[in-house]
Amino acid sequence: GAVVSQHPSRVICKSGTSVKIECRSLDFQATTMFWYRQFPKQSLMLMATSNEGSKATYEQGVEKDKFLINHASLTLSTLTVTSAHPEDSSFYICSARGEGQISSYEQYFGPGTRLTVT
Amino acid sequence: GQNIDQPTEMTATEGAIVQINCTYQTSGFNGLFWYQQHAGEAPTFLSYNVLDGLEEKGRFSSFLSRSKGYSYLLLKELQMKDSASYLCAVRVRRALTFGSGTRLQVQP
Repeated sequence: GAVVSQHPSRVICKSGTSVKIECRSLDFQATTMFWYRQFPKQSLMLMATSNEGSKATYEQGVEKDKFLINHASLTLSTLTVTSAHPEDSSFYICSARGEGQISSYEQYFGPGTRLTVT
Repeated sequence: GQNIDQPTEMTATEGAIVQINCTYQTSGFNGLFWYQQHAGEAPTFLSYNVLDGLEEKGRFSSFLSRSKGYSYLLLKELQMKDSASYLCAVRVRRALTFGSGTRLQVQP
């Protein structure tokens, strides 16, 4: 089946630094990838949708200059949290969707990345 | 705008049946999903409904009424491992909008 990986699984960084999170589709070509953020005991909030080779579409309230998304290939999307602050500490989850996939799964989720900013 | 409502918490007994409800008001509808999520892990797919009616899959069933903006997830023969959060999500165009999730606690 379709597998999506994320790296790193956990990261701790200092306030003011930048962190890059990778999302890879391992056995299919992901034309669309989605980035979600989840705070403790809350549900997933969509941050942005990225299509391969084009600019990401950000949800209202998400700062595009702070959360840089690159989807340069059909198997890789990256999310860079720039100038991270403690309030950016969260669980970041990506999901991927490929063209022509008509299965009811539609989106395949990665295992998530736990970001802690100190 | 999108609005998806689920109960925050539920408790049930091992071996019993539990129904988790979800109501939604969205600008557009292209399917409703149920996911299970254990703490600190990514969601895992449980079910998908796009037409009205009941979809059964082993111990899990999901129902949809599009006219009422209503769905439920039915879990039968509850097991301790079913203790998790259950997320209702509506697809609008390509993206999923998630409800706040229902934390289910299964007790012996």
